[in-house]
Amino acid sequence: EAGVAQSPRYKIIEKRQSVAFWCNPISGHATLYWYQQILGQGPKLLIQFQNNGVVDDSQLPKDRFSAERLKGVDSTLKIQPAKLEDSAVYLCASSSRYNEQFFGPGTRLTVL
Amino acid sequence: GENVEQHPSTLSVQEGDSAVIKCTYSDSASNYFPWYKQELGKRPQLIIDIRSNVGEKKDQRIAVTLNKTAKHFSLHITETQPEDSAVYFCAASPSVGSNYKLTFGKGTLLTVNP
Repeated sequence: EAGVAQSPRYKIIEKRQSVAFWCNPISGHATLYWYQQILGQGPKLLIQFQNNGVVDDSQLPKDRFSAERLKGVDSTLKIQPAKLEDSAVYLCASSSRYNEQFFGPGTRLTVL
Repeated sequence: GENVEQHPSTLSVQEGDSAVIKCTYSDSASNYFPWYKQELGKRPQLIIDIRSNVGEKKDQRIAVTLNKTAKHFSLHITETQPEDSAVYFCAASPSVGSNYKLTFGKGTLLTVNP
């Protein structure tokens, strides 16, 4: 089966600019996750969707981050405006009911 | 919320030796404990997981043990090989409906020297 797809793979922006990331989960996976992985740390959950509804966004900095999952399939994560501390790898993952989370290749964001 | 501590942060072993990585968690409601392997520049991949109704699980050279009373779980890799070199992450999660909300440890960089 095809894995989780993400784009772009790399992005360099200046602080205060905006950026968007895209994720296409494994076909049939109802649950989609966005994680932030800062260098040298484990992934940190930002937001979790079940179909097109938000299950958990308690760790999403809502003043600058937003995410949506239209039609319960693809998802986009946006940062506006970006800060230096947003430099990280943004990982998307998907899972089916009670099963393991499969991760995408990630988008490496550098904020200058 | 859940807090996961992972030790050691780095581990260097000789090929053929065993490696042990330990994690503790804080939320007694957690009942799912996966381990992920992440090679440099690549995505995390699940290598083994355990649920709270068992104390140990093995898969070839990899085993995980769980002590719910003490709230700690460990990854054991036997007969290590150079290709085992990577960062390993433990995670813990309670059930959230039919899904899991994973809290990860900070990772252990395992280096297997030939």
